[in-house]
Amino acid sequence: NAGVTQTPKFQVLKTGQSMTLQCAQDMNHEYMSWYRQDPGMGLRLIHYSVGAGITDQGEVPNGYNVSRSTTEDFPLRLLSAAPSQTSVYFCASSYSEFTEHSGNTIYFGEGSWLTVV
Amino acid sequence: LAKTTQPISMDSYEGQEVNITCSHNNIATNDYITWYQQFPSQGPRFIIQGYKTKVTNEVASLFIPADRKSSTLSLPRVSLSDTAVYYCLVGEDTDKLIFGTGTRLQVFP
Repeated sequence: NAGVTQTPKFQVLKTGQSMTLQCAQDMNHEYMSWYRQDPGMGLRLIHYSVGAGITDQGEVPNGYNVSRSTTEDFPLRLLSAAPSQTSVYFCASSYSEFTEHSGNTIYFGEGSWLTVV
Repeated sequence: LAKTTQPISMDSYEGQEVNITCSHNNIATNDYITWYQQFPSQGPRFIIQGYKTKVTNEVASLFIPADRKSSTLSLPRVSLSDTAVYYCLVGEDTDKLIFGTGTRLQVFP
């Protein structure tokens, strides 16, 4: 059971380049999300999805696109990378969008370190 | 949204019990309280979740008073490996959960 798998682990981009961070989960979770974490800061929600074909914006969506064509995959696309997007990105998944479901743990990937120069 | 307030940092020594208190004065009726742990260079990991009174698992205990305006994460007999950042989250909807800066726990030998 792999849980939440993110690729790549590390990436360096030039300003203006585009790229996609991949995220896959094998727990059949309906809810998936992307966070970014800047040094010394908490995690901020970028985009989330409550099921295949459904996505929505989080707290800091500008400059990012997502899609959810399958339950398993939730890629994050940087359209035109900027130095301000240098950060650690975490993909996460959970059984439900509601914390009231018993044991609705959010599972996080190992993170993707992105540097934009 | 239920805002949470927790100490920025705490220090402890191995073998001691550590209690981290989180304040959430405007918690709503349907909100659950969840704590996560994050080690450097890793994603957060679920520790414990509760709604009221006391919850205990193999890792920690969570104490929630009757008014639910605060909660206390208790880590018994900490070790060096418990050095991490601990986040207190309050909410009903997963997409509304806010990971603040958390409490940075440093355990010394």
